[in-house]
Amino acid sequence: EVRLVESGGGLVQPGGSLTLSCAASGFTFSAFWMTWVRQAPGKGLEWVANINEDGSDKYCVDSVKGRFTISRDNGKNSLYLQMNSVRAEDTAVYYCARRTGLEYWGQGALVTVSS
Amino acid sequence: DIQMTQSPSSLSASVGDRVTITCRASQVIRNDLGWYQQKPGKAPKRLIYAASSLQTGVPSRFSGSGSGTEFTLTISSLQPEDFATYYCLQQYSYPVTFGGGTKVEI
Repeated sequence: EVRLVESGGGLVQPGGSLTLSCAASGFTFSAFWMTWVRQAPGKGLEWVANINEDGSDKYCVDSVKGRFTISRDNGKNSLYLQMNSVRAEDTAVYYCARRTGLEYWGQGALVTVSS
Repeated sequence: DIQMTQSPSSLSASVGDRVTITCRASQVIRNDLGWYQQKPGKAPKRLIYAASSLQTGVPSRFSGSGSGTEFTLTISSLQPEDFATYYCLQQYSYPVTFGGGTKVEI
C-alpha cells in the first residue's frame, strides 16, 4: 500500500524557517518524481514544487522561488520542503504527492505563519 | 503560465443526477489533464488521469473526456458520497496549474 506521511508543520513567525518532511512507504521511492502541493485555508489547490527521481531536476512556482527548496533522500525514502523567509500568504496545508500527476497524496501538514 | 478555467464554480444537484464539470486551458495541453475529488478536511484523491483514464478503484460513474483545450468530468449518476469539490490539473508545462474548483452540493 502506498503511504505518504507529512510532518514538521506548525506555527512559524514571518521571516522564519521551517522544514517539512514526507515519509514514503509501500513503493520504490527512488523510482518516482515527487511533488508538494498546498492549500490555503478555504482556498483551492496550488502546486508548489516537484523533483525528479534522483534529485537532479527541480521545478517550483514563482511565488516560492528563492525561498523554498525541495529535496529528497532516497536512502531514507523521504521528501523535504525547506521553507525560508516565510510570509503570511504561505499559511496552508502542505501535501506531498507521488508523481507530477499526483496519483497518491499524504494527509497534509498545516503551516501557519503568524506573529 | 497556462490558466485553467473551471466551470461552474459550484452547482446544486440531486442524487441520481448527471453532472458535468468543464475545464478550459488557455493553450493546448494535449491530454495532460487530471481530475481530483476533495472532501472537507481530507486530502484530494485522483479520479482521472490523461484526460480520460479512470484511476484504479474509482467507480465507473466517473468519466473524463476532451483533448487540446476543452475537458469535461462527468458523473453519470450522482451518489451521496460524491458531494465534494472537484479540481482539474494540467501537467503539460510548468508551472503545473489547477483549475479553481467546482463545489458539488445538494
